[in-house]
Parts: sequence; C-alpha cells; structure tokens
Amino acid sequence: GAVVSQHPSRVICKSGTSVKIECRSLDFQATTMFWYRQFPKQSLMLMATSNEGSKATYEQGVEKDKFLINHASLTLSTLTVTSAHPEDSSFYICSARPAGGPKDTQYFGPGTRLTVL
Amino acid sequence: AQTVTQSQPEMSVQEAETVTLSCTYDTSESDYYLFWYKQPPSRQMILVIRQEAYKQQNATENRFSVNFQKAAKSFSLKISDSQLGDAAMYFCAFKTGANNLFFGTGTRLTVIP
Repeated sequence: GAVVSQHPSRVICKSGTSVKIECRSLDFQATTMFWYRQFPKQSLMLMATSNEGSKATYEQGVEKDKFLINHASLTLSTLTVTSAHPEDSSFYICSARPAGGPKDTQYFGPGTRLTVL
Repeated sequence: AQTVTQSQPEMSVQEAETVTLSCTYDTSESDYYLFWYKQPPSRQMILVIRQEAYKQQNATENRFSVNFQKAAKSFSLKISDSQLGDAAMYFCAFKTGANNLFFGTGTRLTVIP
C-alpha cells in the first residue's frame, strides 16, 4: 500500500512552453501533498505545500505564478511549470500525506525529470 | 532556523561490513521527528527509519539502527551487514510539528563487493 505515482516520469520541452506534472496517491486519500525540486547531486528543496480544495502554500523564493499547483481532489495534485526555461530543468518529486494519518508520514513519488531545451 | 548537516558527502563500505552515516541538526524545538531516507539510482525516496525525539530508545529496523543523541543534536545511521542494494544517496531529514520535512545535503554510499 501507500503508493504515489507521478506522470510523466520524463519530459523534454522547448523553452517557453508549459509542462504539467501529475502526482497521484493510488491507494489512499491525501489531504496534503508536497512538491520538491532536486538539482543534480543536491538535496530536495520544498517548493510548495498543496492542500486539497485550497490554495497552495509556496516556500520563500518560489514563484507562484511560474509554478502553478492545483490539488483538485484527494488523490491528485498537479504542478504546471509555465513558460519553462532551461534553468527550470530539474528533478521534481511529489509526496503525499495520508488523510487522517500522522503528520510525520509522507510517501514519495518516483519523480519527474524535466529537461527544457 | 532549523538546519540539518551531513558532513560526509561520500562514504564507502565493504560488503557485509558496518558503516555509520553522520547527521547533526539544530533546532530550538523540543518535539520533533528525525528520518533517514534512501534514494537509490531510481531516484525513488524510501523511508529507512524514523525517530521521535521524545523517545529515548534508539530506533531499529532490521539491519538499520540509529544513534540518537538529543543533547548533542546528533542522529547517525548505522547499517550493519551492508549489502550491494544498500548503495544509494542517504538523506537525513527533520520535521517539527506542523512544519515540513527539511533535508540534509545527503551522503552517497558505495558498497564494495
């Protein structure tokens, strides 16, 4: 149990286009999902916290107009990178906290590698 | 501010031997959680072990155990009987209350056959 999927696993896009990444909790409901960014050989940096039915909370320095997050249901959150540029190339990882579960529990997705040409 | 420090960017261990990965943290909170996550080449983050700060007993999960020194703010991970599949990046992480996970910079573990 407790599987989180991400789609796509890899995406290559042209500069200036938008890319949507999906994060799904497959066998549990998640009121809270998290989006992280990981540069090569670096740690995970939290970008935003997404709560079902409400606006996402962004970490300092993360542009909310560039990284659009939607958490429309208890099993799906999406991250849209708008007007992508090469510096947005990175590994994006989501995690999900089970509804009603302990606050220290998160299950991670397998990540999405974004390459912007 | 919370910080998590992993002072060993890379470590190596002979198969079947024991290795200890270091982690220190800084916080003014008294109630928090500590974690070790493994990130293999597949990039999937896997929870290895967790420790609640209020528990004095060190957490253990099969071959993985921690040495939690609350006063020293130290949380090291010991891997016993190392296996080839243990090769990965290991991240120490920290969480207080409603706050989010904060990760250290990671230690790359190589297991030598």
